[in-house]
Amino acid sequence: TQLLEQSPQFLSIQEGENLTVYCNSSSVFSSLQWYRQEPGEGPVLLVTVVTGGEVKKLKRLTFQFGDARKDSSLHITAAQPGDTGLYLCAGAEGNEKLTFGTGTRLTIIP
Amino acid sequence: ETGVTQTPRHLVMGMTNKKSLKCEQHLGHNAMYWYKQSAKKPLELMFVYNFKEQTENNSVPSRFSPECPNSSHLFLHLHTLQPEDSALYLCASSQDLQGAQGTQYFGPGTRLLVL
Repeated sequence: TQLLEQSPQFLSIQEGENLTVYCNSSSVFSSLQWYRQEPGEGPVLLVTVVTGGEVKKLKRLTFQFGDARKDSSLHITAAQPGDTGLYLCAGAEGNEKLTFGTGTRLTIIP
Repeated sequence: ETGVTQTPRHLVMGMTNKKSLKCEQHLGHNAMYWYKQSAKKPLELMFVYNFKEQTENNSVPSRFSPECPNSSHLFLHLHTLQPEDSALYLCASSQDLQGAQGTQYFGPGTRLLVL
């Protein structure tokens, strides 16, 4: 069974600060996704990374896929209250089902 | 807008009740999914349907019974549930079965409480 551990589990920071959250596994994934889930809603896809070492940017969010395709990180610059939510990573091997991570609950304090 | 709707949004039921959760997607997708989201546990895949055919049953107890009458609708029939079944039940759809290559669109979920 593939397992994705996310850290930290909870993170609360002031508006304007930078942060990084991590997604780690002992398994290799052919691709990995990051989702954000807001209270009362389902997860929404932010990005998909498919190449080891790949870096993708989405405005203030920077996503990196590890060289060995076992881990990923999400860096947020100048965090804003709208970034508050549950961040989930999810990986899959080929067209296999997605395995979701344990999640990081992020709170940005105005 | 995700294009995936779920009803009801909240449900409280006793252990002897029978209820159904409904999911509808307006995206023209071929694959639909049921997930369970519990506190402190990763999102768990329950069932997968592709072109109305069940392709995955992730060792889900028989008190959960899915139904997919067409590619746009997915139901989860519930009976004799246990308190530990209380959770957020999420429906999702995708164009095809593509794992992490494709995009799954999630509904807002049904918050279920079993008393």
